[in-house]
Amino acid sequence: AQKVTQAQTEISVVEKEDVTLDCVYETRDTTYYLFWYKQPPSGELVFLIRRNSFDEQNEISGRYSWNFQKSTSSFNFTITASQVVDSAVYFCALSSTGFQKLVFGTGTRLLVSP
Amino acid sequence: DTGVSQDPRHKITKRGQNVTFRCDPISEHNRLYWYRQTLGQGPEFLTYFQNEAQLEKSRLLSDRFSAERPKGSFSTLEIQRTEQGDSAMYLCASSPIRGQGDLKSTDTQYFGPGTRLTVL
Repeated sequence: AQKVTQAQTEISVVEKEDVTLDCVYETRDTTYYLFWYKQPPSGELVFLIRRNSFDEQNEISGRYSWNFQKSTSSFNFTITASQVVDSAVYFCALSSTGFQKLVFGTGTRLLVSP
Repeated sequence: DTGVSQDPRHKITKRGQNVTFRCDPISEHNRLYWYRQTLGQGPEFLTYFQNEAQLEKSRLLSDRFSAERPKGSFSTLEIQRTEQGDSAMYLCASSPIRGQGDLKSTDTQYFGPGTRLTVL
């Protein structure tokens, strides 16, 4: 069975602080995909990144960076110099090849105050 | 390219009534997914279509739930005899399959704004 655990329920930071959101996954598949989505108060899930299980290179996109470590089954997300607009619920998700469904974690609510 | 759209955005109904939601995927996306999200939880998979074929259904999808995608374009999700436990956000997503679009978007699911259902 596949499972995604986001142990941090809620994180509060002050603007310009760096923050890391943790994601730990479980799967028996040798090939799989990991995702991060952002859900602002409006409710729409916004795709942020997709990572293949065979590509462990870390990725940086502006203030966002992702650290994928197969050895610890983790796919953590760091926001550098956080901004108020980053306030949202962030979901980590897992999918096996074939993309029949996404398995989501319970999400981490990030509150960035001015 | 317009995103995934869902209608209605909000629905309030009384227990026992039937409701139907519509999802219009991104143009030319072959795959269409339905998820349900309750308060404080991540979305849970309900079902998905490739073109007009419904290929997988979760055990969450009870007999009161039915989904269709008759022409391989838009999809409808109907809930019959609604119960208070059906209150949730119903999310639709679509994705291109391999061979469509650019590599980065292939197989990635793009979500619509959701339909929030409240059953009184």
